[in-house]
Amino acid sequence: DAKTTQPTSMDCAEGRAANLPCNHSTISGNEYVYWYRQIHSQGPQYIIHGLKNNETNEMASLIITEDRKSSTLILPHATLRDTAVYYCIVRNAYSGAGSYQLTFGKGTKLSVIP
Amino acid sequence: GAGVSQSPSNKVTEKGKDVELRCDPISGHTALYWYRQSLGQGLEFLIYFQGNSAPDKSGLPSDRFSAERTGGSVSTLTIQRTQQEDSAVYLCASSPHPLSQGAGQPQHFGDGTRLSIL
Repeated sequence: DAKTTQPTSMDCAEGRAANLPCNHSTISGNEYVYWYRQIHSQGPQYIIHGLKNNETNEMASLIITEDRKSSTLILPHATLRDTAVYYCIVRNAYSGAGSYQLTFGKGTKLSVIP
Repeated sequence: GAGVSQSPSNKVTEKGKDVELRCDPISGHTALYWYRQSLGQGLEFLIYFQGNSAPDKSGLPSDRFSAERTGGSVSTLTIQRTQQEDSAVYLCASSPHPLSQGAGQPQHFGDGTRLSIL
């Protein structure tokens, strides 16, 4: 699976949009981009995923560049409860054994500030 | 609720005892995964079940670890003769079958069992 690069930490004012970038310059055609987050003492929480097109759900929006080498997760109105470590993962959904194993990097620690 | 349920949420036991951890996946999800996460570390894959296929046990760290999935739903992870290095958060995840809902289905996690070996 392609490697991802994320900033170590970010701050965001409560009520503002949080824009979390991810670089995945070696992504291949069959690889999806997934975002998860992990709040202290909880399991990883799935947020959103996409292949080529931008995606939106009740939690967030995912913007993928046209060349697919980077993406941005947008939390439109950040709250204190959004403080967490956010993980960007690129994974091939079509390959064989081992493709289902999720590997989290260091992620971005997002701090939402009152 | 509708999410992945794990029990117990916390388990403290003495070195050398056996422990059993339970995972109840999201209804209808055919794939089930076990991971563990040590303090401040990433995910370590343990085992994967998909429907009636033979499980992928390639991530189990030793023969003290085993897992089963009865009736294609609930799964138990058993650790025999526990050691202090087994202390970690054990996470279970489930996902739908790709043939039923398309490729790229995400894994949904429970909140884990925090295992502490004294």
